[in-house]
Amino acid sequence: AQSVTQLDSQVPVFEEAPVELRCNYSSSVSVYLFWYVQYPNQGLQLLLKYLSGSTLVESINGFEAEFNKSQTSFHLRKPSVHISDTAEYFCAVSDLSGGSNYKLTFGKGTLLTVNP
Amino acid sequence: DAGITQSPRHKVTETGTPVTLRCHQTENHRYMYWYRQDPGHGLRLIHYSYGVKDTDKGEVSDGYSVSRSKTEDFLLTLESATSSQTSVYFCAISERQGSYEQYFGPGTRLTVT
Repeated sequence: AQSVTQLDSQVPVFEEAPVELRCNYSSSVSVYLFWYVQYPNQGLQLLLKYLSGSTLVESINGFEAEFNKSQTSFHLRKPSVHISDTAEYFCAVSDLSGGSNYKLTFGKGTLLTVNP
Repeated sequence: DAGITQSPRHKVTETGTPVTLRCHQTENHRYMYWYRQDPGHGLRLIHYSYGVKDTDKGEVSDGYSVSRSKTEDFLLTLESATSSQTSVYFCAISERQGSYEQYFGPGTRLTVT
């Protein structure tokens, strides 16, 4: 069975500082990896995804994540955050085994708070 | 944005009453999912559907049932609501084989008193 661990439940940072949100997963098979973002009182939005190919993936708003197979990690980073990045971030994994029916397993979330 | 709506968006109900939440999609996606979101637990899968009339249980299915009679609609029913089912419920859809991406609805906030 797959599982996802987000190592920090809350991450407070100042505006324009760099940030890293950590995500580790466990799975016995190959996986797809996702980061979702949830702004207050909204649904989840896909931020970025790793399916195959380059291990470094980027979003349109400056976030990036790197797939590290040996460390089973998929940490999310941004070199300079804005107030508007304040949200909860969820890491998710889907294994590629037959019969998974495209199910995702989510981490418990990391609340990123960007302070002025 | 994916065409997903959920109704109602907010509901307060009493313990022991039946409740049905509706998810409607206009994307003609094959897969549909119901999650609940609770503080400190992230999102947990309740039930999912991989086609019309094809459904299966997720990790927290006790006390919930689902039905899917049409591609576009996926209903979640709480047969007899309990206070532990107070939560925010999200519907999600997925389509492309090999993609695994899921797109989420806006959520339904359910309070059971």
